[in-house]
Formats: sequence, structure tokens, C-alpha cells
Amino acid sequence: AQSVAQPEDQVNVAEGNPLTVKCTYSVSGNPYLFWYVQYPNRGLQFLLKYITGDNLVKGSYGFEAEFNKSQTSFHLKKPSALVSDSALYFCAEGRRALTFGSGTRLQVQP
Amino acid sequence: NAGVMQNPRHLVRRRGQEARLRCSPVKGHSHVYWYRQLPEEGLKFMVYLQKENIIDESGMPKERFSAEFPKEGPSILRIQQVVRGDSAAYFCASSLLSGEVSNQPQHFGDGTRLSIL
Repeated sequence: AQSVAQPEDQVNVAEGNPLTVKCTYSVSGNPYLFWYVQYPNRGLQFLLKYITGDNLVKGSYGFEAEFNKSQTSFHLKKPSALVSDSALYFCAEGRRALTFGSGTRLQVQP
Repeated sequence: NAGVMQNPRHLVRRRGQEARLRCSPVKGHSHVYWYRQLPEEGLKFMVYLQKENIIDESGMPKERFSAEFPKEGPSILRIQQVVRGDSAAYFCASSLLSGEVSNQPQHFGDGTRLSIL
């Protein structure tokens, strides 16, 4: 069965610094990988996806993610964090039913 | 271009009552997914439906829970005889095509927060 792991419950970063939110996966076959962001009392907003192609995927709001097959990772990155990026981030895998990680709370300090 | 609409946003029920959660997908989307989120946890898949058909209900509890997506109208997630453990946020998502034939992401609604007294 597939699984998605987000090893960090919380990531703290200063505004303007680069950020990384980690995600590893375990699936049979080629993965379909997604990052979503959730703001308080809201649904999930799609950030980016990896299905095939370039290992570096660019998405919304300046976020990008790097697919690494050998390390089975799909870490989310942004070169310069904003306070408004503070939210809950979820990594997910799946073609139909998505399997989600447990989420990582990103806190960007002014 | 309305997104996925869920109602009600908040629902309070007493133990033993029934809860009905509604989801209107993005216009033109015929694939609907339901997920449950417990406090401070990720989302867990419950059920995947196409118009009038349940495709995958592997995440649905065996009892008290049911879902439908009729030809006309919203998708409904129904919980009978609710218990305290049903308290959670329930999210609906929709997609134009199945993820097996399309790489389009699922679009999520803002959820229904169900509280059981």
C-alpha cells in the first residue's frame, strides 16, 4: 500500500529565507505527487504536481518541488519565504484516491 | 467559475441523529471524492463517486456511512446515528476526469465541520 510521510510537524523560517518542507513516499510504480496548502478553516489549495517529466516542478505562489526517485522524496521549496506563506502544507500521492501525509505547519516569522 | 461548494459549513448534531453533508462539484466535473480530516491530522480518503456510481468506497466505515452522487443535484455524504468520534472536518473534492486518464488535480471545497454533542 502506498504511504506518504512528512517527517516534520512544524517548520520555522525567517521571512526572506529559503524554506523546505519535506515529503517522502512509498508507492509501487510511478508516483503521482501533489502539494496542497491549507489555511485556517479552509479547504486545500493546489500548489503543484509531479506526474512525469522534469524533476523540478514549478507551481503557484513561487513554490517549487524536486522529485528525487532514488530518495523517494518530493520536497517543497521556496527561495524566499513570506509571512503570508504561514499555513499547513500537505503532500499527497495518488491517481484517484489521494493518500495524504500528516501535514507540516509552516511558520514564517517577520 | 464557482469552485467546489460544500454546505453546511458547520453542522452540529446530537448523538444518534443523522448528518447530511452536501457537495456541489466544479461545474462540468463528474468525479467526486470525500475525505475526512480529524483535528491535527491529514485527510483520509473515504469514497470516490462518478455520476450515479460508487467507484471506490474502500475508506468508508462499514456501518452508518453512505454516499451518493445522483444524476441531478449535489453529492451527499450521509452519516446515520452519529457518535462523538464522527466529529471531524469532511472535505469534498472534484475532478474533470479520473486521475488515471488525466493529470488534473482534485479541487477541494472548504469543508463541513461536523460537531457531535
